[in-house]
Formats: sequence, structure tokens, C-alpha cells
Amino acid sequence: AQKITQTQPGMFVQEKEAVTLDCTYDTSDQSYGLFWYKQPSSGEMIFLIYQGSYDEQNATEGRYSLNFQKARKSANLVISASQLGDSAMYFCAMRNYGGSQGNLIFGKGTKLSVKP
Amino acid sequence: EAGVAQSPRYKIIEKRQSVAFWCNPISGHATLYWYQQILGQGPKLLIQFQNNGVVDDSQLPKDRFSAERLKGVDSTLKIQPAKLEDSAVYLCASSLGPMGGRGPEQFFGPGTRLTVL
Repeated sequence: AQKITQTQPGMFVQEKEAVTLDCTYDTSDQSYGLFWYKQPSSGEMIFLIYQGSYDEQNATEGRYSLNFQKARKSANLVISASQLGDSAMYFCAMRNYGGSQGNLIFGKGTKLSVKP
Repeated sequence: EAGVAQSPRYKIIEKRQSVAFWCNPISGHATLYWYQQILGQGPKLLIQFQNNGVVDDSQLPKDRFSAERLKGVDSTLKIQPAKLEDSAVYLCASSLGPMGGRGPEQFFGPGTRLTVL
């Protein structure tokens, strides 16, 4: 069965510093995708970054990078140069692309607070 | 390009009452999803439509929840009768296809926050 674990309910970071949000996953499929979403207080889920299980390089999107360690089944999100607008909930999610194509499974999220 | 639209944004009802939520996906998106997000948790898929057909409703509590997507565009999600534990944010999302590709297929709406008293 698929499972996403985010062990940090809340994180604080100083403005302009980098922060790492942890995510571990469990799946028996070899082909899967990992996603990070941001959810500000307004409620919508905003896509940040994607990593495929067969992608050899870690994904990067601007200030976001995904530290993908396949053997450890971890997909941590790194935000560089934090900004006040980064304060939000962050969700890690995955989807299996194997025989039974499932839908997005989300973790419980991490609340990030950026301090000025 | 307009995003996924949802209404109402907020709804407060008493238990045992009925409620309906509306979603208008991004133009041209064939696949539509309804998620339930209980406070302190990540979203959980309730139902997925491909055009006007149901692809997956395995986690939809069918004794009280129903959803339809007539004409393969807009969708409504209904709860009848509501229970206290239905208090949550209901998110609608859409994608071009049934996620057969790779990458960030799903785009989310702002959600409807339901409070059941």
C-alpha cells in the first residue's frame, strides 16, 4: 500500500535562509511520481515540484529543489532563500504509475512559518 | 487562463441538513476530482470523473455523498444528510487526462470550507 509520511508538523525558518521539509514514502511499485504542493491560508493547492522515480537528477524549480534518495525512499523539499510569502502548509504526495494506476496520496503536511 | 472555480467558498449547516458544492474545471480538462481535506490532514480523493463517467469512487461514502458531472464539464458534490465528521474543506481539481502522463497534471480550486454544527 502507498503511504506518505511527513514527520514535521511545524517548522520555523528565518527569512533568507534555506529550509528542508522532510518526506518519506512507501510503495511497492517501481514506477511512481512524487509531488510537493503548497497550500496558503487561502486554501488552494499550488504545485511546486515533481520527481519521477526513474529521473536520475534531482528536480529543481527556481528556489525549490527536491532531494530524492530512492534507496531511502525519501523526497525532501529544499526551499532556498526563504521569503515571508513562503509561510504556508506544504504537502508531499505520490502517485503510482504501475499496474493499478492510483491517484494522488498526500501526507499530513508541514506548516512552515518564515520569520522576518 | 482561468483556473478551477468552486462555490460557495464557505458553508455552515446543521447536522442532518443537505449541502451541495459546485465546481467548474479548467476549460478542456477531461478529468475532474473531488477531495476531502479534514483539518490537520492532507487531501483524500473522494471521486474521479473522466468526462461524465466515474473512474474511481472507492472512497466516497455512498450512503450520504453523491456526485455528478453532467455534460462532462461542471460537477456538483452533495452531502445528504450531513454529519459532524463531514466538516472539512472540499477541494476540486482537474487535469487534461486521467494522469496517464508524468508531472503536475492536477490543478486545484480554492476549496469550499464546510462546517457542520
